[in-house]
Amino acid sequence: GQNIDQPTEMTATEGAIVQINCTYQTSGFNGLFWYQQHAGEAPTFLSYNVLDGLEEKGRFSSFLSRSKGYSYLLLKELQMKDSASYLCAVMDSNYQLIWGAGTKLIIKP
Amino acid sequence: TAGITQAPTSQILAAGRSMTLRCTQDMRHNAMYWYRQDLGLGLRLIHYSNTAGTTGKGEVPDGYSVSRANTDDFPLTLASAVPSQTSVYFCASSDSSGRDTQYFGPGTRLTVL
Repeated sequence: GQNIDQPTEMTATEGAIVQINCTYQTSGFNGLFWYQQHAGEAPTFLSYNVLDGLEEKGRFSSFLSRSKGYSYLLLKELQMKDSASYLCAVMDSNYQLIWGAGTKLIIKP
Repeated sequence: TAGITQAPTSQILAAGRSMTLRCTQDMRHNAMYWYRQDLGLGLRLIHYSNTAGTTGKGEVPDGYSVSRANTDDFPLTLASAVPSQTSVYFCASSDSSGRDTQYFGPGTRLTVL
């Protein structure tokens, strides 16, 4: 079966750095997406990785290792507005997204 | 820019009644999707459409139907609602059905009693 695993909840301090991990087992791989979802709102796109390595975009970076079935989202200089759920999704061989349940990130002052 | 709109925002529906959730996008995207999001679970694909005039079944299609008469609109119909269809429904679109990023509408919160 297809499976995406990520921690249910994480807590971090404002101004700090946090790493949210995602491991996956899917039938085929056509890229991995990270989305941010604030409570009661729609998911919004953060990043896309299809090749191994680190993609940096401002305070957010995303890493992929295809051989290990592993990705992480790194958030630097945390701000209160970063309190949200972070969704990991893998595009399978049929170009359909398989979603993790999301990681709720709580930022404390 | 509107992007993707969904209607209604929320709805309470009696079991056995039918309902259509509306979704419209103004980005001229070819592909559109319907997901449901339940607490503790990842988004699950209900139905999708790779281009106007075609539709396909996702992971959880039972009890739902869709149509794609034109590029912009992708309505989702519940023919006879059941309490297990209580969920938040998101419509999304992407430029193509390949690796393109999916963009989401604001969602419809549906409660079936």
